[in-house]
Amino acid sequence: AQKITQTQPGMFVQEKEAVTLDCTYDTSDPSYGLFWYKQPSSGEMIFLIYQGSYDQQNATEGRYSLNFQKARKSANLVISASQLGDSAMYFCAMREGLESYQKVTFGTGTKLQVIP
Amino acid sequence: GAVVSQHPSRVICKSGTSVKIECRSLDFQATTMFWYRQFPKKSLMLMATSNEGSKATYEQGVEKDKFLINHASLTLSTLTVTSAHPEDSSFYICSALPASGADTQYFGPGTRLTVL
Repeated sequence: AQKITQTQPGMFVQEKEAVTLDCTYDTSDPSYGLFWYKQPSSGEMIFLIYQGSYDQQNATEGRYSLNFQKARKSANLVISASQLGDSAMYFCAMREGLESYQKVTFGTGTKLQVIP
Repeated sequence: GAVVSQHPSRVICKSGTSVKIECRSLDFQATTMFWYRQFPKKSLMLMATSNEGSKATYEQGVEKDKFLINHASLTLSTLTVTSAHPEDSSFYICSALPASGADTQYFGPGTRLTVL
């Protein structure tokens, strides 16, 4: 069974608009961490945001926020005020356990294209 | 801070030869490094977890004799693809976990391997 599911292979968004990238996860471990990474065409993986399973508030980092719905097991990424430079692949990932050395599993990614 | 480099960024080799890829944490010490493989337009697949001074832990289905991993220091891990074949052509990405503790691993820019 897929541990991380990203159902949107591709998304378009108008520049300056907000966009939500979906991510659902599956785990029976009460302790886990959720991540979002950005991968531009150059290939490097850029860390965007992290949410721990016990964190009470949704994580935010600048224009990025993580909409954490624990009961629904979803961790959607919201990008506000989209910019052309946001065009990239976006990967949701989960670490089962809260120790940083534990394995991280990635979703299949969503390709975001920002339209001028 | 938290910069990870990989060398080479691109390599083309003949079938049957071996290729070494280096992963360095430039401004932090990393007791744990991870090696991933990414096929075109696909997700990252964890190949192995590399711990400084000990043997790497390989994921199921990854041949340890084909993908040799050495983590000789707190800032360097190497992946050697032995007797490379065209099916080994892929994008290889490493990541490093700061020894000081961090929620996320930091990724290198990746190495594009093409085996002719």
